[in-house]
Amino acid sequence: ETGVTQTPRHLVMGMTNKKSLKCEQHLGHNAMYWYKQSAKKPLELMFVYSLEERVENNSVPSRFSPECPNSSHLFLHLHTLQPEDSALYLCASSQYLSRSGSSYEQYFGPGTRLTVT
Amino acid sequence: EDQVTQSPEALRLQEGESSSLNCSYTVSGLRGLFWYRQDPGKGPEFLFTLYSAGEEKEKERLKATLTKKESFLHITAPKPEDSATYLCAVQANSGYALNFGKGTSLLVTP
Repeated sequence: ETGVTQTPRHLVMGMTNKKSLKCEQHLGHNAMYWYKQSAKKPLELMFVYSLEERVENNSVPSRFSPECPNSSHLFLHLHTLQPEDSALYLCASSQYLSRSGSSYEQYFGPGTRLTVT
Repeated sequence: EDQVTQSPEALRLQEGESSSLNCSYTVSGLRGLFWYRQDPGKGPEFLFTLYSAGEEKEKERLKATLTKKESFLHITAPKPEDSATYLCAVQANSGYALNFGKGTSLLVTP
């Protein structure tokens, strides 16, 4: 495997289900991200992890729960979702978390297409 | 508040017909401006990073330029395989998040 992989690629779940999205990066990066992409809207940053520590939570509802057990793996645990949560969920990684004076491009996985019924 | 506006929303070109995509931005100190390509059902693919006004980068038929207020992605003699959505994102000095525009959907017909 190379780059950033995500599983599953497609997921249909009911509003009362619990499911998890998985992301794995094979780039040796230290920062990982979850984004949400809805139709006709820009990508929205949800969570940021640096060296397994969460550094940003962009006012995301508690029905989304991230987990980063190590610098190569990232999970997004889902429970009691709403239909408006249907979207493409993208995982990304970068070499480091960009702080003052430096900038690192983010590399994205193929995404999980989530449909909430 | 940081803002990124891409235009046009959609663009249809004949194969070989050169054109430019625009990304206008307002940001409190630019750390980097990023261009990505996204094919349907796939994640964005990194193309370029630009850091300061006057900078240019090229890759095959694509050339990205940057001024203090906007960036252009010039497509020279496009081919049908260049059809995709092109996304622009900015990163401010004050943070590490990428602020994305809505993208330009490009269709190149034979």
